[in-house]
Order: sequence, then C-alpha cells, then structure tokens
Amino acid sequence: NAGVMQNPRHLVRRRGQEARLRCSPMKGHSHVYWYRQLPEEGLKFMVYLQKENIIDESGMPKERFSAEFPKEGPSILRIQQVVRGDSAAYFCASSPQGLVYNSPLHFGNGTRLTVT
Amino acid sequence: QQQVKQSPQSLIVQKGGIPIINCAYENTAFDYFPWYQQFPGKGPALLIAIRPDVSEKKEGRFTISFNKSAKQFSLHIMDSQPGDSATYFCAASGGGFKTIFGAGTRLFVKA
Repeated sequence: NAGVMQNPRHLVRRRGQEARLRCSPMKGHSHVYWYRQLPEEGLKFMVYLQKENIIDESGMPKERFSAEFPKEGPSILRIQQVVRGDSAAYFCASSPQGLVYNSPLHFGNGTRLTVT
Repeated sequence: QQQVKQSPQSLIVQKGGIPIINCAYENTAFDYFPWYQQFPGKGPALLIAIRPDVSEKKEGRFTISFNKSAKQFSLHIMDSQPGDSATYFCAASGGGFKTIFGAGTRLFVKA
C-alpha cells in the first residue's frame, strides 16, 4: 500500500495517560501535516513538518501536544496527560512538495482517539 | 482572514439531482482551491481542484465554478448517485499559507 499509513486506527486512553499517533507518509513525500477533526466539524490544522523540522505549529496547543518527523521513521503526534476534550479523529496528510507549490494533500484514514 | 466559509451544512437530494455546495474565502493570497470527499471512517480524498486563472473546471460529473472577484467557488455534482453520499470539504491554500478547510457539507443522495 503506497498510501499514507496511520496507526493505530483506534486508540483508547484514560484521562492522564499519553497518546502516541504515528504516520508514515506516501513514498517520496517529505512534507507531513496533522489535522484534527471533531464530530460534525471540519478539519483543523495542527502542525506542518518536514524531515527533522517543524515548519508551522500554529494550530497545535502549546501544552501537552508535540510532534516530530525524524530523519528515519514515521511522524509522531504525542499528546501527554490526555483529557476528554482530546477525543477526536486525528488525520495525517503528506505532500511531495511544500506550501509554496500548492501540492494536493494525501490523507491517511486517521486515528480515532477516545479518552475515557 | 484565513477562514473558508462553507454552506450548506447538510444537503439531501434525489438521485439524479444536482447538489451545489458553496464556499467563500477572504485571503486574496489563496490561489489553489481543492475539494475533498470523505466517506465515514476514511480520510478525505482529493476530488477536484481549481486555480483562479479559470472560471470553471469539469472532471466527470463534478464541476467547480470559480468567481475570483466575489472570492467564491462552488461544487456541482451532476446526475448525483447514492454512492456520492459523503461529506464534502472545500479548501484553500496559497501564498505560503497552509491548506484551510471549510466546515464540510454532509450530502445524502436518496435512491
């Protein structure tokens, strides 16, 4: 499967635990974006990364949330000390080129996080 | 200034009807306007996209109309089918800005 791979598909965490969401971009893509989708709502931008660099994290809460895209391996979105309000679907998208070139985004099927 | 406003929130049409979804933007730096289709449990998938140098683009039964002066664009689905039932998102990007999505329109096509 050459598409964007996200895992796990479903993640259940108790309040206060940590959630780790993984995203492997399409082959040849070096730009990764994370979006959050609440039920019945649109996609809210969280963070834009290139390999080893965070380019834009303006949509990500400053506390408890972090993201990385290491030289080797998938991109990771980490949520520490989860709260019920973090329950949502988290989508990763990748593109071959960055914002300047307006490349279309290729999305994974998301990770649905439920905080109990 | 970075918002994309989408309407309606939901839409029900008969099979064969032509649902129309509208979007408006404010940032004149945007120069790429894609539409994404999302089925339940799946990620959004690119459906069709337009740049502001053209006023209309067709791909199969899907048409985007673009009005640069009004800063509005819309999606028309010709001869809609039950399989088109999904959530549709308009989006905008350009000028170094990240892709901003509208709130989505849930379309249901009755058989």
